[in-house]
Amino acid sequence: AQTVTQSQPEMSVQEAETVTLSCTYDTSENNYYLFWYKQPPSRQMILVIRQEAYKQQNATENRFSVNFQKAAKSFSLKISDSQLGDTAMYFCAFLGGGADGLTFGKGTHLIIQP
Amino acid sequence: ETGVTQSPTHLIKTRGQQVTLRCSSQSGHNTVSWYQQALGQGPQFIFQYYREEENGRGNFPPRFSGLQFPNYSSELNVNALELDDSALYLCASSFGSPSGRARGTEQFFGPGTRLTVL
Repeated sequence: AQTVTQSQPEMSVQEAETVTLSCTYDTSENNYYLFWYKQPPSRQMILVIRQEAYKQQNATENRFSVNFQKAAKSFSLKISDSQLGDTAMYFCAFLGGGADGLTFGKGTHLIIQP
Repeated sequence: ETGVTQSPTHLIKTRGQQVTLRCSSQSGHNTVSWYQQALGQGPQFIFQYYREEENGRGNFPPRFSGLQFPNYSSELNVNALELDDSALYLCASSFGSPSGRARGTEQFFGPGTRLTVL
């Protein structure tokens, strides 16, 4: 079974700073997908960024980028120029080749201070 | 384009009762996945329905069951409720394909149903 570990329960940074959230995972599969989801207090889970394991190039979406290290099974999220609206729970998630749905980490509560 | 909707928003039940939660998938999607999110935890996969058939299941007992209808909406049923079933239940819709090539496409989540079991 796959596991996803987020070792930072909470992080707090000042507005406009850059912050990196860490995620490691364990799998024996070679083809899989990794995701970062954001869950604001409204509870609705929103996809932030997605990475296919077969792609070496790190995914980027505007201020959000990932550092995907396949050999190390590491998938960190970098948020540049952080904004107050980035305050939320952030979940790292893994999707393998079976039909088991997403495996989520426990989440990191990110607080952006004004 | 209509997003994923869930009903009801909140629900309070007592131990031993049965509950049905509902989810309407996003237009164009044929796959619905259900997740249970306990307080302070990440969501846990319950099961997935693809074109009206169960297509995968997580580590949940048989008293968690589901249905998917021809319009791809879905229900989650939980029998013999236990206190530990108190959680936020999330539904997510996506587009799946028989070949699996659509695997890894985005799952769009609904706002969830907060279930409290007393």
